[in-house]
Amino acid sequence: GGIITQTPKFLIGQEGQKLTLKCQQNFNHDTMYWYRQDSGKGLRLIYYSITENDLQKGDLSEGYDASREKKSSFSLTVTSAQKNEMAVFLCASSIGENTEVFFGKGTRLTVV
Amino acid sequence: QQQVRQSPQSLTVWEGETAILNCSYEDSTFDYFPWYHQFPGESPALLIAIRPVSNKKEDGRFTIFFNKREKKFSLHIADSQPGDSATYFCAAGTNAYKVIFGKGTHLHVLP
Repeated sequence: GGIITQTPKFLIGQEGQKLTLKCQQNFNHDTMYWYRQDSGKGLRLIYYSITENDLQKGDLSEGYDASREKKSSFSLTVTSAQKNEMAVFLCASSIGENTEVFFGKGTRLTVV
Repeated sequence: QQQVRQSPQSLTVWEGETAILNCSYEDSTFDYFPWYHQFPGESPALLIAIRPVSNKKEDGRFTIFFNKREKKFSLHIADSQPGDSATYFCAAGTNAYKVIFGKGTHLHVLP
């Protein structure tokens, strides 16, 4: 088995602030993802990465940057936090395409 | 553009009944259809998945029924238990890595 560790678990930022969320996985999975979960809106894909140094935009990439520093880590940056950014950000990983996606516990972002 | 639609938004059944959760999709290139469940305070986890080579997939009390012509698939939870109470997400994916999730169905199983 493996685990996906997201840090921090809770993040409070100020409007306009640049914020970085971090994710580590020890599954040795090639593909990693960042999803945003809002109440009543399901899971929306922000960015994904097929392999180290690869970066692909999801449907919700505007306002975010991401970086796949190495195979085991994938970070997400909120470039300028907005009041409506309050959500849970879920990092995930999978072996490859159309295989089981494993999720981390999430980072809950609150913008004040 | 909502590519994966889920219904109902909320469903309440009695213990022992069969809960039926529905999903439809628009893109005919989708060929992978998983269902995830999420318990309060937890992360989503894969429950069961199907590929269109078959129209039915069973795993214990959980069954996916798939209708390629109508672009619909459903999750049937037989003999529902209070412990099944959770949010269920259907999803659809193609030969790429982008799995599109529905908005979720909140299932409540009453004892």
